[in-house]
Parts: sequence; C-alpha cells; structure tokens
Amino acid sequence: TQLLEQSPQFLSIQEGENLTVYCNSSSVFSSLQWYRQEPGEGPVLLVTVVTGGEVKKLKRLTFQFGDARKDSSLHITAAQPGDTGLYLCAAGTLGANAGGTSYGKLTFGQGTILTVHP
Amino acid sequence: DVKVTQSSRYLVKRTGEKVFLECVQDMDHENMFWYRQDPGLGLRLIYFSYDVKMKEKGDIPEGYSVSREKKERFSLILESASTNQTSMYLCASSYGYSGLAGRNEQFFGPGTRLTVL
Repeated sequence: TQLLEQSPQFLSIQEGENLTVYCNSSSVFSSLQWYRQEPGEGPVLLVTVVTGGEVKKLKRLTFQFGDARKDSSLHITAAQPGDTGLYLCAAGTLGANAGGTSYGKLTFGQGTILTVHP
Repeated sequence: DVKVTQSSRYLVKRTGEKVFLECVQDMDHENMFWYRQDPGLGLRLIYFSYDVKMKEKGDIPEGYSVSREKKERFSLILESASTNQTSMYLCASSYGYSGLAGRNEQFFGPGTRLTVL
C-alpha cells in the first residue's frame, strides 16, 4: 500500500500551459518535500514545506502544504520545455529504533512524468 | 560542490551472484540511504544509516544488506541476486541529527542501473 498517492502519473502539455500535481495521504506528516529528477540523474530538491497551510514560490512554481499536513500540491505557471522531468513528492516521517534513537526518513510518491512540448 | 558518487552507472549480473553497490559522499554527512526506483512505484527505501556501523531497515530490506564502516561510504549488498532485483538503485545522503533525516535535504547520486539475468 502506497502511503503517498501522487497524481497524475503522466502529464503531457504544450508550452505556456499551467498544470498542477497533487500528493495526498490519509496520514499526517512532519514535512513534505518536492524533488525533480532528470534522465540519468538523481532527484534534486526543489522545496521543503513544514507548516500546515504553508505556501512557497520558486519562480513559476508554487508549492502548498495542506492545513492538516496530509496533502500537498505543486503548481507550474506557463510551463516551459525545460520543466520536463519526473516530479516526486516525499513525506517526512519519524520513528525510533529499539535503542530509543529517533530517526527520520522519507516516503516517496509514485512520481509524475511531465512532458512540456515546444 | 556537494557530491554523491556511485561505483557504477550500469551493472549486469547473473542470478545467484553476490553484488556490491558502493556509494561515497564528500559532504561529511551523518545520514546515508539506499533506495530502489521502479516505474510507477517511485523511490522505495531499502536501508539507511545515521552513523558509522549503524543501520536501520527501510520499507523493503528483504534480500539486501548494508555496510557502513566509514562515515563517507555506504555499501549495498545483494547476497544472492535475483531477477526481481533488476532496478535502478539510488544512494543519498543528508546532514544532521538522525531525527531530522526526514526533513533535511537529501543529496542523491546518479544511480546504478542493475540488470540481473
């Protein structure tokens, strides 16, 4: 069972269009990150949101963390071919080992493959 | 410039072989992670380590083991490779206290595409 549901899985649009990618869960998270991955490379962090209701902007990208910290969205305005890539949301969760040491880890959504055509 | 390097970009192995995937980071990060990436499944955590000689199971540890003898190096071991372990393997690292490992930025290597025949 996927803890994080990301949608849509595929998005193919024309240059200049707007788009939104969603990341949803029934669980509350301590933080939510968005990464972007290009072919042949590892994911690169775009943003981290930690407060319910938080909105962050990165040029044409707007990230929102839901009030209840269970969902997030990524909105791209006037998409460009350079935005093409795999977008991944990742939720931060906390745990502890048998010795009582706390640790955090990320759980990733399935990813959204975005293609922006010129 | 921060850097995570992985020993191979492509690897082809036979079923039953023992496979070592090496990861090195030059950022003096405390936390290191191994993920596998499969289409439609995103990244799934195999093992992670928040200190030298320490390791914790992730979400899919079966069939894998890890070793962290030095802070900068984290190795993933497939004891007896099977075809269902054909995948892209990504290593990552992050700084800071283990409790913040789910919040701090993770820096990824370029990945190793492993094919098991």
